[in-house]
Amino acid sequence: GENVEQHPSTLSVQEGDSAVIKCTYSDSASNYFPWYKQELGKRPQLIIDIRSNVGEKKDQRIAVTLNKTAKHFSLHITETQPEDSAVYFCAASPAGTYKYIFGTGTRLKVLA
Amino acid sequence: NAGVTQTPKFQVLKTGQSMTLQCAQDMNHEYMSWYRQDPGMGLRLIHYSVGAGITDQGEVPNGYNVSRSTTEDFPLRLLSAAPSQTSVYFCASSTPTSGRKETQYFGPGTRLLVL
Repeated sequence: GENVEQHPSTLSVQEGDSAVIKCTYSDSASNYFPWYKQELGKRPQLIIDIRSNVGEKKDQRIAVTLNKTAKHFSLHITETQPEDSAVYFCAASPAGTYKYIFGTGTRLKVLA
Repeated sequence: NAGVTQTPKFQVLKTGQSMTLQCAQDMNHEYMSWYRQDPGMGLRLIHYSVGAGITDQGEVPNGYNVSRSTTEDFPLRLLSAAPSQTSVYFCASSTPTSGRKETQYFGPGTRLLVL
C-alpha cells in the first residue's frame, strides 16, 4: 500500500541555521505533497505544498523541493527562529484519490 | 466562518462503551476525513468521504464507522471502545478546485482515553 517515510524523527539546530527534513513516498502516481506544522497541543496547519508538475516552491524562509524520479521531497527552512520549533509532517496524495498519507513527523528544536 | 469544529474536546470511556465523535465544517467542503494521531506514528487515516452519501476506508478503519448524510457533518462512531483506541482524533476537510487537490483544514482535535 501507499507509504511515506520521513527523516529525521528529531532535529536540533542553532538559531539562524538551516533545517532540512526529507520524505520518500512509495506511490509513483502521487501528485500532491503538502507540509504541515503542528505546535504542541494544537492542530496541524499547512505551511507549504507542491504539486507534481513543479520541482521547487519557495515562500519566504521555507522551500520545498520535489524529485519525482527518486520519489523524494524535502522541506528546507532557512534562518531558523525559536518559533519554528514544532513537529513537521509531510504527506503525499496519490493521483485519482483524495487520500493523504502522512509521514511519522519530525520534531524540530531551534536552540537560541 | 467557524471552520472545522469537533466535539467533545476530551472524553474518557470504559472498554466496551460506544460513542460518537462529532465533526462539522461550514466551508462547504466536499472532502472530509478522520485521522488518529499516536506518538511516533504521525497521522493515520481512518475513514474519508468525498461527498454526502460517499465514504471509504483509510489505513486503520477497524473498530470505527462513519456516515455522511450532509455536506457539513461527518461523525465518527466507536462501536466498542478498546484501550488501543486511546489517541487524539482529528477531523479535516478540503475541497478540490477545478479538480485540483487543495490543502486540508484540521479541526482542534478530540483527546480520547479508553480505560
